[in-house]
Parts: sequence; structure tokens; C-alpha cells
Amino acid sequence: KAGVTQTPRYLIKTRGQQVTLSCSPISGHRSVSWYQQTPGQGLQFLFEYFSETQRNKGNFPGRFSGRQFSNSRSEMNVSTLELGDSALYLCASSSPRGGRGNQYFGPGTRLLVL
Amino acid sequence: GESVGLHLPTLSVQEGDNSIINCAYSNSASDYFIWYKQESGKGPQFIIDIRSNMDKRQGQRVTVLLNKTVKHLSLQIAATQPGDSAVYFCARGEAGTALIFGKGTTLSVSS
Repeated sequence: KAGVTQTPRYLIKTRGQQVTLSCSPISGHRSVSWYQQTPGQGLQFLFEYFSETQRNKGNFPGRFSGRQFSNSRSEMNVSTLELGDSALYLCASSSPRGGRGNQYFGPGTRLLVL
Repeated sequence: GESVGLHLPTLSVQEGDNSIINCAYSNSASDYFIWYKQESGKGPQFIIDIRSNMDKRQGQRVTVLLNKTVKHLSLQIAATQPGDSAVYFCARGEAGTALIFGKGTTLSVSS
């Protein structure tokens, strides 16, 4: 069974631009969560989607948004990029019943904002 | 408040030794705890979890201990190998909320 895939793997943007990241969960998984990972703050929860509905949201500004499609694939968007948005963005999917206990992470998208 | 922290940011051990990575938490409402391993260039990988009504759980070469009295969690790795070198995160979860991760401990295993 294929794991969680994320595209692109690396991205360089400039301040003020926007970016869209994509995540394909493990087949059959309906829950997708997004995290931001930085050396200073560690792993911070952005949001979670289950069956195309946002089920939970972390403490990030409205510039960060996401959505989930009917095939469970998810995208996250960051508008008006700031230097501090440079980070590894991780996507995780979990079991068909939507349990969060065992989340499978993708390799992440490394975003650099210049 | 909600926080999950690790005692030491780095841990260096010799191959074959046992490793112990610690984690403290503050929220007693946690339903479960999870340990993840993250290797360079990869996403976190699930190692083992433990529900809050348990004190101990064992996996292959790993044991997680939960002390709810002092709100402390530890991951023990037996016979540590070079392939165990990675960053280890503890995370806590409760029903209806997202996982809260600690900052991570970097384990370095020398031969």
C-alpha cells in the first residue's frame, strides 16, 4: 500500500506570494491533518479534515487555509507569504474510522520564503 | 496549560546500550500518548502509543512507560543501533482535539 505523498517536495517563494501544497493520503484514509515544523516551534498543528469537512483547526492566522476533496486528497494554501512561513509542512492521514492515534506522515514539503 | 516537553534536546549513546528518552506533560486530560521517530528528510514515523489507563506498553525493542502521578512519559530503546539515530517526539492526544507534539530529542548512536 502506498504511503502518504506530498507535492512538491521543495518550494522557494518570495514574500507576498501565495503557495498551494498537496497531500494524497493512504488509500482508504479519510482523515488528513496538516502540521508546520520549524526548528524553533517544533511540530504545530494547522488543521484537520475528515470527509471534506474541517474538523479541527490550530492557532494559525487566516492566511493559512485548507480543503479536502471527495477522494480525500487535501490541499493547503498560504497567502501573502512571510519569511516566518519558511518551514517543513507535513501532512498525515489516519485510519478509515478517523482515529487520530496512529497518524501516518508524508515526507513533507519544505518551503523557503525569501 | 497544554504543553508536551522533553527533558533533553540531545542524547548520545553507544551502540548496544539502552536508551531512555523522557517527556513531561501538563494536561491530565490526555487520552493517549504517542512516540514518533523522525529521520533526516522524512516525516515522523509512528513507533508506539499508550492509552492513559495503562502504565506500560512494549513493542519490538521499545517500551513506553507512563507515570500519571508525575505526568511523565518515557521511551526505552533496548540494544540501541545506529539505525535508531533520529529525532524522537512524544505527542499527546485527547478525543476531539489534535495531537500536541513535544519539541523532540535527537538521539545519536555511535558505533
